[in-house]
Amino acid sequence: DVKVTQSSRYLVKRTGEKVFLECVQDMDHENMFWYRQDPGLGLRLIYFSYDVKMKEKGDIPEGYSVSREKKERFSLILESASTNQTSMYLCASRLGASGGQDYNEQFFGPGTRLTVL
Amino acid sequence: GDSVTQMEGPVTLSEEAFLTINCTYTATGYPSLFWYVQYPGEGLQLLLKATKADDKGSNKGFEATYRKETTSFHLEKGSVQVSDSAVYFCALSDRMAGANNLFFGTGTRLTVIP
Repeated sequence: DVKVTQSSRYLVKRTGEKVFLECVQDMDHENMFWYRQDPGLGLRLIYFSYDVKMKEKGDIPEGYSVSREKKERFSLILESASTNQTSMYLCASRLGASGGQDYNEQFFGPGTRLTVL
Repeated sequence: GDSVTQMEGPVTLSEEAFLTINCTYTATGYPSLFWYVQYPGEGLQLLLKATKADDKGSNKGFEATYRKETTSFHLEKGSVQVSDSAVYFCALSDRMAGANNLFFGTGTRLTVIP
């Protein structure tokens, strides 16, 4: 089974701090994603990476950056955390363009609930 | 653009009741359709999927049929259990349109009472 792990389940930070959220997948997936989940808004895509060192902005990239130095690891960075970034953050991975019918299925990690005070 | 419209909740049912959660979609290409479930305190898990028109996805007693004529993918279960209490998300992925992500509905919270 695909396993996607996230470094923390719960995190509390202060306004202005730099925050790193780490995500690791163990199935050699090419594509990785970061979403945030907020009540009434569903999931919104922050950034997407289709390969090592490659990234694309999603729907709400402002205030975030990402890093993908290794295929299995995708990091989300909040350069200067703000209270409006308090949310649940979900990482996901997907096989990639060579995956055929399984291309579209994304596998999710357990989420990190971040609180910014 | 692509989008998913999902029945708003919350939904509260008694154990063994019949469940329907409506989902309709708009897509420019030929989407794959998914239902994800999120149990309390956890991430999303794939519940079922369908990749082409008239396909039926099924898992754990849940079913959904990909209806191209009505652009729908409604989730159903004949007899819900307390353990089915969760948030359910309908989603689509449209590879032909070049989409790189899933488009999610806003989620429907289901509570099943004994």
